[in-house]
Amino acid sequence: SQTIHQWPATLVQPVGSPLSLECTVEGTSNPNLYWYRQAAGRGLQLLFYSVGIGQISSEVPQNLSASRPQDRQFILSSKKLLLSDSGFYLCASLRKTGYTFGSGTRLTVV
Amino acid sequence: AQSVTQLDSHVSVSEGTPVLLRCNYSSSYSPSLFWYVQHPNKGLQLLLKYTSAATLVKGINGFEAEFKKSETSFHLTKPSAHMSDAAEYFCVVSVGPNFNKFYFGSGTKLNVKP
Repeated sequence: SQTIHQWPATLVQPVGSPLSLECTVEGTSNPNLYWYRQAAGRGLQLLFYSVGIGQISSEVPQNLSASRPQDRQFILSSKKLLLSDSGFYLCASLRKTGYTFGSGTRLTVV
Repeated sequence: AQSVTQLDSHVSVSEGTPVLLRCNYSSSYSPSLFWYVQHPNKGLQLLLKYTSAATLVKGINGFEAEFKKSETSFHLTKPSAHMSDAAEYFCVVSVGPNFNKFYFGSGTKLNVKP
């Protein structure tokens, strides 16, 4: 079965600092990978998805970017964080058996 | 366009009483519908899913949901709440050629009182 490792679990970063959140997948190959964000009082919003190495689709314009350097690695980045980037970030993987989610990263930008 | 509306941000029930978490959806396509639960500091866990088969779907931990196309609803129910059911619940619509896009509701926090 699929397992998603996502770290760190919590992160406090100052405004203007860079960000790198990493997600790795075990137990599957060639999954579709997703980054979601939940801002306070809102549902989970799809940020990026990737159907393969180097292939990234962005769902909403924002201060963030994503990369997929390896089949089972998906990275969410920012060069300069904004206060509005605070939220709960979830990595997800999709295979034929369905979705698997990571445990999430709670990011607070101060 | 797709959207999901969870009508209650917080629901509080007593242990042993029924649970009802409401969800309405809007979709341009025939959707798949899901309920996920998230316990504190844990990943999302699938409770149940509807994929155009039986309209009454049974899931884990005694939960079930009924797909009502005429009402565009997919409400989650459980006959008797347990303390361990306290968590946040998300209703989700999945669309796309491979059902590879998810649209989440805003979540409902369920509180279970002893």
